[in-house]
Amino acid sequence: AQRVTQPEKLLSVFKGAPVELKCNYSYSGSPELFWYVQYSRQRLQLLLRHISRESIKGFTADLNKGETSFHLKKPFAQEEDSAMYYCALNDTGGFKTIFGAGTRLFVKA
Amino acid sequence: DTAVSQTPKYLVTQMGNDKSIKCEQNLGHDTMYWYKQDSKKFLKIMFSYNNKELIINETVPNRFSPKSPDKAHLNLHINSLELGDSAVYFCASSQNLGVLTFGAGSRLTVL
Repeated sequence: AQRVTQPEKLLSVFKGAPVELKCNYSYSGSPELFWYVQYSRQRLQLLLRHISRESIKGFTADLNKGETSFHLKKPFAQEEDSAMYYCALNDTGGFKTIFGAGTRLFVKA
Repeated sequence: DTAVSQTPKYLVTQMGNDKSIKCEQNLGHDTMYWYKQDSKKFLKIMFSYNNKELIINETVPNRFSPKSPDKAHLNLHINSLELGDSAVYFCASSQNLGVLTFGAGSRLTVL
């Protein structure tokens, strides 16, 4: 079954520290993966997608097919990065996007 | 000019009632979705529509009936509301499948 696993419900780091939000997936085929973010009082929005291979707000994510992972990383966390982060996987030709349970990132001053 | 708008934002109602949530997108997208977010913030797809046609029905009870009068609108009607229906319901649309634009959410509380 297609599945997205985010093992950490909460991740707390100090400002300026590196951060890594873990995501593992289960998918029979070539996966298309995304990270979405929900800041306080804002809508859920796309942060980045693996096929773009770009850095957004200092975040990057590399697809590792061998480890079936798509971890989100940032070398120096900022307080404004505090938010709920969801890893997501495209399924059924894209008509069904499966989300992980989410990780709440809290960046302390 | 909101891209995906949902109404109402908040809905408080009694068990057994029937209620509707409306969603409209002005992005010209072909695909629209309903997601349910539970109290633990878990996001689960309920339905997806493409050009007014139902594509995905993710084993949602038939008390939930989506309706898409045109590709810019996807409404959700819920009959005989139960306590477990309390959640935040998110509408979303997409043109590039997998890249979703979300509405602000509609928080439903069933008493």
